Amino acid sequence: NAGVTQTPKFQVLKTGQSMTLQCAQDMNHNSMYWYRQDPGMGLRLIYYSASEGTTDKGEVPNGYNVSRLNKREFSLRLESAAPSQTSVYFCASSELTLQVRANGYTFGSGTRLTVV
Amino acid sequence: DAKTTQPNSMESNEEEPVHLPCNHSTISGTDYIHWYRQLPSQGPEYVIHGLTSNVNNRMASLAIAEDRKSSTLILHRATLRDAAVYYCIHGTGTASKLTFGTGTRLQVTL
Repeated sequence: NAGVTQTPKFQVLKTGQSMTLQCAQDMNHNSMYWYRQDPGMGLRLIYYSASEGTTDKGEVPNGYNVSRLNKREFSLRLESAAPSQTSVYFCASSELTLQVRANGYTFGSGTRLTVV
Repeated sequence: DAKTTQPNSMESNEEEPVHLPCNHSTISGTDYIHWYRQLPSQGPEYVIHGLTSNVNNRMASLAIAEDRKSSTLILHRATLRDAAVYYCIHGTGTASKLTFGTGTRLQVTL
């Protein structure tokens, strides 16, 4: 049981380049999320998808776009990368009704992105 | 914003209990209290969550104050593998309502 799988694990981009971070979960979860974590900081929510077919902005959405491709997959796209987007990106998934579930969010192992 | 206050760091000896405190004075009546931990170079890992009553699971216990303005995560016997950053969060449980602060860095020594 893989849980949440993120690809790639590491990436270096030049300023202005674009890329897509991929995320897939195999737990049949309804909700999926993208967070970023800067050095020494907590996680900040970029975008989320409460259920298949819906997406919403989180705390720091500027410079990013997302696609909920199907129930399993949720991708994050950087159209024109900037050095300020250097960070570790985490994808997570959960059941829709978190309050009544015992397992909370399941996070991937992260993508370490450097923009030079 | 749903803010919590945690000590920046704590230390514990292996095999001893650890009590990690958290203040959440702005918590509303419907907010759950969640704890996650993040091991080095990994994504956060769910630990436990609760609403009013104390909660136990295989990883830890959660003690919630009667006024719900504070809580304590209890690791009954710390091991070296418990060294991590522990995040206390409160919210309704949906993604848009959970805010991760900077957490408490727990060091466990022999």
